[in-house]
Amino acid sequence: DAKTTQPNSMESNEEEPVHLPCNHSTISGTDYIHWYRQLPSQGPEYVIHGLTSNVNNRMASLAIAEDRKSSTLILHRATLRDAAVYYCILIRRAGGTSYGKLTFGQGTILTVHP
Amino acid sequence: GAGVSQSPSNKVTEKGKDVELRCDPISGHTALYWYRQSLGQGLEFLIYFQGNSAPDKSGLPSDRFSAERTGGSVSTLTIQRTQQEDSAVYLCASRLTGTAYTEAFFGQGTRLTVV
Repeated sequence: DAKTTQPNSMESNEEEPVHLPCNHSTISGTDYIHWYRQLPSQGPEYVIHGLTSNVNNRMASLAIAEDRKSSTLILHRATLRDAAVYYCILIRRAGGTSYGKLTFGQGTILTVHP
Repeated sequence: GAGVSQSPSNKVTEKGKDVELRCDPISGHTALYWYRQSLGQGLEFLIYFQGNSAPDKSGLPSDRFSAERTGGSVSTLTIQRTQQEDSAVYLCASRLTGTAYTEAFFGQGTRLTVV
């Protein structure tokens, strides 16, 4: 299975943009990039996903490198409620033994300072 | 309800007892996952059900752990002869399909404490 690498922790100030990096140098052409976050004492929640093009939704933006070996989750204006563990995972699009499997790494702990 | 429901929310059991944890996925979701999360740790994959396919059991830590999914809906994770190291939050997730572009919805988890 392709692996992802994220920094253990990052800090930000409230109302500033946050760029959360993820390396996935062994990504396959059939892997989608997904981001989830886990707020304290809650189950993870979906944030955003993409394949090749940059993506925007109401929660965040996802910037995908041209070679797809890395991606960055962008929170445009961090709030205290964005303090969470952010997970970058790869989901195989089709075929193979890993099809549909969701494997999480350790994620990045984001601390937001008031 | 509209979300993934897990029960019980908390379970305290004595070492050596068997426990059953239940997951009600979102109606119509064909993919169902179980994870374990120990205190301060990431999500450890346990098992994955996709439709009528044989489940991916590659993450089950020992033969004391088993899971089934009846009728393609409700799933039960069973831990036999519980040990203290089994203490963790057990999370269930479901997806509409196993395809890569569908999002996963997680339950709130069952906190298991083995004393």
